[in-house]
Amino acid sequence: DAGITQSPRHKVTETGTPVTLRCHQTENHRYMYWYRQDPGHGLRLIHYSYGVKDTDKGEVSDGYSVSRSKTEDFLLTLESATSSQTSVYFCAIRPEVGGEQFFGPGTRLTVL
Amino acid sequence: KQEVTQIPAALSVPEGENLVLNCSFTDSAIYNLQWFRQDPGKGLTSLLLIQSSQREQTSGRLNASLDKSSGRSTLYIAASQPGDSATYLCAVTPSNAGGTSYGKLTFGQGTILTVHP
Repeated sequence: DAGITQSPRHKVTETGTPVTLRCHQTENHRYMYWYRQDPGHGLRLIHYSYGVKDTDKGEVSDGYSVSRSKTEDFLLTLESATSSQTSVYFCAIRPEVGGEQFFGPGTRLTVL
Repeated sequence: KQEVTQIPAALSVPEGENLVLNCSFTDSAIYNLQWFRQDPGKGLTSLLLIQSSQREQTSGRLNASLDKSSGRSTLYIAASQPGDSATYLCAVTPSNAGGTSYGKLTFGQGTILTVHP
């Protein structure tokens, strides 16, 4: 398995609170991604990074921000969580060459 | 906007059958196509990656084909087993103007496969 971990694995929070999810890789891959998975919508891209400090928006980026200050870490922040952000969040990594993406175990976030 | 459709949405077969899962996409300007497996409550496991210049890839009992011009891919599973029961997801990444890709995956809704003994 690719060396990719996510923390926390489960989180329950209240509406309006800030939340940060962490993705950590040991593969030194250039590309990192955050997706969310919801019943009826499938998996959708939130944000991605193509290098340290290089990030861009995906399909469903509203209400989310990201940061990547080191190759190995990609943080996803919900500045003020809403119930619509209750979801399972997956991080993925991809090497420069080849293009195969590898996914982390996911974080289940519940916003009450 | 790229759209990915997977048919059927669910499939139930007896053990030992050969089966085909279908994936179609609306924009043929793809960089690659990837098939994943997802077990309930788990993350995604990559099964096969097909580059846009390739026609098929094989791994064990799995064979995936790609017809980019028609926007179709199939995943063939030979001699199915109960352990193959899972959701199978198809995803494509677009090509950039320079022929590279940022790898932004667009997923289908998946096919839920049940293989019963």
